[in-house]
Amino acid sequence: DVKVTQSSRYLVKRTGEKVFLECVQDMDHENMFWYRQDPGLGLRLIYFSYDVKMKEKGDIPEGYSVSREKKERFSLILESASTNQTSMYLCASSLSWDEQYFGPGTRLTVT
Amino acid sequence: KQEVTQIPAALSVPEGENLVLNCSFTDSAIYNLQWFRQDPGKGLTSLLLIQSSQREQTSGRLNASLDKSSGRSTLYIAASQPGDSATYLCAVNGAGTASKLTFGTGTRLQVTL
Repeated sequence: DVKVTQSSRYLVKRTGEKVFLECVQDMDHENMFWYRQDPGLGLRLIYFSYDVKMKEKGDIPEGYSVSREKKERFSLILESASTNQTSMYLCASSLSWDEQYFGPGTRLTVT
Repeated sequence: KQEVTQIPAALSVPEGENLVLNCSFTDSAIYNLQWFRQDPGKGLTSLLLIQSSQREQTSGRLNASLDKSSGRSTLYIAASQPGDSATYLCAVNGAGTASKLTFGTGTRLQVTL
């Protein structure tokens, strides 16, 4: 079974803090993704990576950056957290264009 | 730009009923379509993946169909159970978009006793 894990289920941070969200997959998948999910807006792609050190912007990359130093790990970075980044963050991975597998999500609150 | 719509937004049915969830998409140039289930406050669980060359996929009580030319997919749930209560999301993987999914906003299903 594919397993995608995220470092925290719940996180509370203050405005202006630097925030790291970590995602790890154990199936040697090439592709990894970060989404955010908001009521009424659905899931929106922030960034994705198709190989180590390779990344591409998704639909809403502003205010975020990513890092992929190892194939199994994909980090989302909020350089200076703001209240409008309060959301559910979901990580996913896939092999090529195949099925995407999701982690349990991190609910981030920025106060 | 691909747009994915799911109707209805919410559905309540008594236990035992068969039901159909609908998903439509605007650009028929897709690579595949995936159905997910999401429980409140949790991540997404993949239910079925249909490749663009396929017409349907089945897993247990679930059957998903795809009509690419008309931009539609349906998820059929047979003999619904209270444990099926969740939000169901469909997502399309557009050809040429490097594995990026476009999601619908989901159908929230409640199966009552």
